[in-house]
Amino acid sequence: AIQMTQSPSSLSASVGDRVTITCRASQGIRNYLGWYQQKPGKAPKLLIYAASNLQSGVPSRFSGSGSGTDFTLTISCLQPEDFATYYCLQDYNYLTFGGGTKVEIK
Amino acid sequence: DVQLEESGGGLVQPGGSLRLSCAASGFTFSSSAMSWVRQAPGKGLEWVSAISNNGGSTYYTDSVKGRFTISRDNSKNTLYLQMNSLRAEDTAVYYCAKVGVRGGDDYWGQGTLVTVSS
Repeated sequence: AIQMTQSPSSLSASVGDRVTITCRASQGIRNYLGWYQQKPGKAPKLLIYAASNLQSGVPSRFSGSGSGTDFTLTISCLQPEDFATYYCLQDYNYLTFGGGTKVEIK
Repeated sequence: DVQLEESGGGLVQPGGSLRLSCAASGFTFSSSAMSWVRQAPGKGLEWVSAISNNGGSTYYTDSVKGRFTISRDNSKNTLYLQMNSLRAEDTAVYYCAKVGVRGGDDYWGQGTLVTVSS
């Protein structure tokens, strides 16, 4: 099974900060990776699909990059509504989520 | 509007069974592979099972193989998860989802809570 290693597991940041979250796959997954945002009590929301494509309706401050085994989610200018938990998900071989990154207010 | 509505969750004793249902509308269900994803209290997301659009192929995470069965009825636009031999570690919110990692068509239900406890 493909393992997804996500880091960091949590981070503290301020409004306006640039935030970067990474995911590393245990084997190459081409660009079959998505990034999700989840808020407490809610279903996950897709932000980025196919590693670098912005989902419709998602603010442009979110961006994704990478291919193969190493992927990055960047929030260019953190907003109050961005404090949440973020997950990567590979769809190359079955589905595997990363462990999650909780973005908290500094 | 796309809707996925799960039902069937609840409290069950260890060793018991539950059947989850997920009613879909607003998209072409019969053309869509579907998944079940769960989230234990305070924990991360875990993929549980998936099924191809016509039901001909099914997939499971190792921890539920032999205990859970995914199925679908395309005439009723409904996805199912039959859960047998339930364990305390199966306690979670269960989401049905059409995962859109490759193409962006990504839909999730609101989740249904399964609690396995005596």
